[in-house]
Amino acid sequence: NAGVTQTPKFRILKIGQSMTLQCTQDMNHNYMYWYRQDPGMGLKLIYYSVGAGITDKGEVPNGYNVSRSTTEDFPLRLELAAPSQTSVYFCASSLGGQGYQPQHFGDGTRLSIL
Amino acid sequence: GQQLNQSPQSMFIQEGEDVSMNCTSSSIFNTWLWYKQDPGEGPVLLIALYKAGELTSNGRLTAQFGITRKDSFLNISASIPSDVGIYFCAGRPPYNTDKLIFGTGTRLQVFP
Repeated sequence: NAGVTQTPKFRILKIGQSMTLQCTQDMNHNYMYWYRQDPGMGLKLIYYSVGAGITDKGEVPNGYNVSRSTTEDFPLRLELAAPSQTSVYFCASSLGGQGYQPQHFGDGTRLSIL
Repeated sequence: GQQLNQSPQSMFIQEGEDVSMNCTSSSIFNTWLWYKQDPGEGPVLLIALYKAGELTSNGRLTAQFGITRKDSFLNISASIPSDVGIYFCAGRPPYNTDKLIFGTGTRLQVFP
């Protein structure tokens, strides 16, 4: 059971570089989310999607972009990496629909920008 | 942005002791969830609470959805070494059914 898979697990970037964090889920979940977790803090929502072709901003979207062309994949893009984006990034998914379905998380991508 | 107040920030306890942690908010939530995060991994759902006053158990874990809908607590009975980790509460606000607000976490250390 793969669940939510994130790649890469670790990455070091130079300031100004760009990269895409990959997230895929095999549970046929409609909803997907990207969070960042800074040291000693809870998770902050960056972007989320309620289905293919639909994305919306979360609490901290600046400096990031997302796309959702398929149900399975929800990549997160950093265009111009900045030191403030050093963090651990988590992708999550949930079934969505009527009622509330809990979110299931990947193992994270640890990103350092130097 | 809105954030939950989670306490305590950290706990150092001996194996076999009971643990209690809680989350409070100035606004109401429709759902409360408790997650555990092990080092190097993503959060894993422990318990989900859907109604005010609800009391739910999962093995040695018990959580309650406060009557006011502004708080929740998690108890762990007879702690064991594998309980070590960071525990997060999360609440779903009534104005947006898709988003969760996370607490800042309680770091638990269990000594043998």
